[in-house]
Amino acid sequence: DAKTTQPTSMDCAEGRAANLPCNHSTISGNEYVYWYRQIHSQGPQYIIHGLKNNETNEMASLIITEDRKSSTLILPHATLRDTAVYYCIVRVFFTGTASKLTFGTGTRLQVTL
Amino acid sequence: GAGVSQSPRYKVAKRGQDVALRCDPISGHVSLFWYQQALGQGPEFLTYFQNEAQLDKSGLPSDRFFAERPEGSVSTLKIQRTQQEDSAVYLCASRRGGSEGETQYFGPGTRLLVL
Repeated sequence: DAKTTQPTSMDCAEGRAANLPCNHSTISGNEYVYWYRQIHSQGPQYIIHGLKNNETNEMASLIITEDRKSSTLILPHATLRDTAVYYCIVRVFFTGTASKLTFGTGTRLQVTL
Repeated sequence: GAGVSQSPRYKVAKRGQDVALRCDPISGHVSLFWYQQALGQGPEFLTYFQNEAQLDKSGLPSDRFFAERPEGSVSTLKIQRTQQEDSAVYLCASRRGGSEGETQYFGPGTRLLVL
C-alpha cells in the first residue's frame, strides 16, 4: 500500500470548516484513499473513501487532486466532537484475501471554541 | 448490541502472566481483525479471520500471541508470558463480508498494562 504523509496536528475553530490534507504521491491506479478518525479512548471510525472523483457523505467531503497525489478531507462545520486523530490510508479496493488497514500516525485535529 | 464489543476494557497483568482478550463482532460479520495500538501511534495489524479461518497472522509479533475464532463469531486474542512491551490498546474490528472494500467497524479496545 502507498505511503501517506499528514501534518502532525491542526487546530480549527468550532463552526468553521476543517481541511485536513494528505499526500500520497506514490499512489497506484487501483488504490483508493480512505479516511478514518479516532476519538480519544474509542476505536477508529470510518469516514469516507474515494478513487478519483470527489466524494461527499453525511460526515465529510473528500477532494482528490486530478493527479491523485494528494487529497483533502473537509469537515464543513467542525464541532468540539470532531476533535480526534484523523488517519489517511491508501490501499487497493480488492485483493481477495488479507485486507488489513495500514495506519500512520495521523493528524490530531483540535477543535476549539 | 449494535456494535463491536470487547472485554475487558482494561486489564492489568504482572509480567509473565497469561491474558485473554475477547471480541464480540457485529452479528453476521464474516471478517474479523485484531490490531495493536501503542501509545501515540496508529493501530497496527495483528491478524485476520474470515469466518473461523485465520487467513493472515503476519502481524503477530511473537509466538506468545495466539488468536482464535472457533465458531466464526467471537474471537479471543491470547498473550502468553506477557512482557512490558505488550502494553498497548488491542482493537478488534469486524466487516460484513469478505470483500476488501467494505468498512471495518472497530470496538472500543482493551487497554492492557503489563507491570
